[in-house]
Amino acid sequence: AQRVTQPEKLLSVFKGAPVELKCNYSYSGSPELFWYVQYSRQRLQLLLRHISRESIKGFTADLNKGETSFHLKKPFAQEEDSAMYYCALLYNFNKFYFGSGTKLNVKP
Amino acid sequence: GAVVSQHPSRVICKSGTSVKIECRSLDFQATTMFWYRQFPKQSLMLMATSNEGSKATYEQGVEKDKFLINHASLTLSTLTVTSAHPEDSSFYICSASRPGRTYEQYFGPGTRLTVT
Repeated sequence: AQRVTQPEKLLSVFKGAPVELKCNYSYSGSPELFWYVQYSRQRLQLLLRHISRESIKGFTADLNKGETSFHLKKPFAQEEDSAMYYCALLYNFNKFYFGSGTKLNVKP
Repeated sequence: GAVVSQHPSRVICKSGTSVKIECRSLDFQATTMFWYRQFPKQSLMLMATSNEGSKATYEQGVEKDKFLINHASLTLSTLTVTSAHPEDSSFYICSASRPGRTYEQYFGPGTRLTVT
């Protein structure tokens, strides 16, 4: 069975501080992981995908198979980064298992 | 591009009645649509996967006779909650993916269902 764990429900940081949102997964197959973001009063949208190995809005995430982790990082948080972040695991080609989400609050 | 809409955004119904929620892909053809349920302060839980022209595939624990899904065209999927009860009150979200890009899902804004 697949599982995604986001241990922090809420993460508060000051503007300009580094931020790391944790995500751990459990999956017997080859994992494909994503980060989705939901800004206030907006719909869920894709932030980044591990296969792309790209940086979106300054965020990066590296898949660490040894630690079964896919933490989301940004060196300098901005107020507009405040949102709900969900780590998601793709399984069976097209199904997503979502973590419980972490609310990021960036204080001025 | 890649916009998904849901209608209605909010619905209140009485216990025992049925409610239909529509999910539309506005500017692309979606071979596959997904229905999720989200409880307050919890994550999205996949309920079912629907492919155009075929029966939906339900996740374990989801009652297919209670949550009827129809994917009649490449741009429309509907979720009907039959004989609704207060415990069915939740936030229902659909998503859609393009052909050949099943990993990339575009989410609707969600529908808040309240059963009184």
